[in-house]
Amino acid sequence: AQKVTQAQTEISVVEKEDVTLDCVYETRDTTYYLFWYKQPPSGELVFLIRRNSFDEQNEISGRYSWNFQKSTSSFNFTITASQVVDSAVYFCALSYTGGGNKLTFGTGTQLKVEL
Amino acid sequence: DTGVSQDPRHKITKRGQNVTFRCDPISEHNRLYWYRQTLGQGPEFLTYFQNEAQLEKSRLLSDRFSAERPKGSFSTLEIQRTEQGDSAMYLCASSLYSTGGGETQYFGPGTRLLVL
Repeated sequence: AQKVTQAQTEISVVEKEDVTLDCVYETRDTTYYLFWYKQPPSGELVFLIRRNSFDEQNEISGRYSWNFQKSTSSFNFTITASQVVDSAVYFCALSYTGGGNKLTFGTGTQLKVEL
Repeated sequence: DTGVSQDPRHKITKRGQNVTFRCDPISEHNRLYWYRQTLGQGPEFLTYFQNEAQLEKSRLLSDRFSAERPKGSFSTLEIQRTEQGDSAMYLCASSLYSTGGGETQYFGPGTRLLVL
């Protein structure tokens, strides 16, 4: 069975602080894919990043960076110099080829960035 | 290139009524997924189609729920005899299937259902 755990329910930071959102996953499959999505108050899930299980390279995109560590089954997301517009719920998700690529989501982390 | 669209965006209905939601995927995408999201939770998988074939249904999809994707284009999700527990956001996503797997799903804005 697939499982994604986002232990942080809510995080509040002041603008310009760095913040890391944690994601821990469980799967028995050797080939799997990890995703992060952002859900602003409007409700639409916005795709941020996709990684496959064979690629443990960290990735940086502007103020966003992701750290994938198979040894600890974690796929953490860091926002550098946070901004008010980053306020949203962030979801980590997992899919695997044998499961029709359906996504298993964590419960999400509500990020609040204040001035 | 337009994204995934869903209609209606909001629906309020009385218990026992039937409701139908529509999803229009990104035009070249051959896979279409339905998810349900309740307050404070992540989306949960309901069902998915590859072209017009419905390939999997979750145990969450009771026999009051039915989904179709005629001609492999838009999809509809119908809930019969709605119950208050059906109140949720219904999300549709589409993707372009590849044999390598792990394709990215792009989501629509969702339909928020409230059953009174």
